[in-house]
Amino acid sequence: AQTVTQSQPEMSVQEAETVTLSCTYDTSESDYYLFWYKQPPSRQMILVIRQEAYKQQNATENRFSVNFQKAAKSFSLKISDSQLGDAAMYFCASYNFNKFYFGSGTKLNVKP
Amino acid sequence: DTGVSQDPRHKITKRGQNVTFRCDPISEHNRLYWYRQTLGQGPEFLTYFQNEAQLEKSRLLSDRFSAERPKGSFSTLEIQRTEQGDSAMYLCASSGVGWMNTEAFFGQGTRLTVV
Repeated sequence: AQTVTQSQPEMSVQEAETVTLSCTYDTSESDYYLFWYKQPPSRQMILVIRQEAYKQQNATENRFSVNFQKAAKSFSLKISDSQLGDAAMYFCASYNFNKFYFGSGTKLNVKP
Repeated sequence: DTGVSQDPRHKITKRGQNVTFRCDPISEHNRLYWYRQTLGQGPEFLTYFQNEAQLEKSRLLSDRFSAERPKGSFSTLEIQRTEQGDSAMYLCASSGVGWMNTEAFFGQGTRLTVV
């Protein structure tokens, strides 16, 4: 079974601070992709960052970076210099067997 | 093309009625996915199309659900004899070809409430 687990249902961070969201996954494939998606309230999901499993280098996108630990099947998201607009649900997802598998999400609150 | 669009955004229906949702993907995308999301949960896979072919359907999906994608363009998801347990957000996503098929673009979803 392909599973994605997010163990933090909700987290809070002070504006301008750094926060890390955790994710673990399980897959039997050797080639796969991992993602973090952001879902603001009542708005569509948008891609935050993507990691190809065959790449050892951790992906970065401006203030967003990941810590990809392939052996541990861990894929955490670090948000630096948090902004009020970062407040949303964040979903970790894997892509294998031609479809996406999502975790249950982490709600991120950003305090001014 | 401004992205994936879904219609309607909200639907309230009485139990036992049939409902149909529409998804218009990004025009050059050949893959189209349907997902269902309930409150406090992540999206759950329902089915996906490659062009007009429905390649996979979740085993969790009852026979009351059917999806089509005629001519490989827009897609419809129909739920027959709706039940209260069908209340959820129905999400559509599309992706491109080759390595681009790993980047899915989502619509805003159709929120279904069965009363």
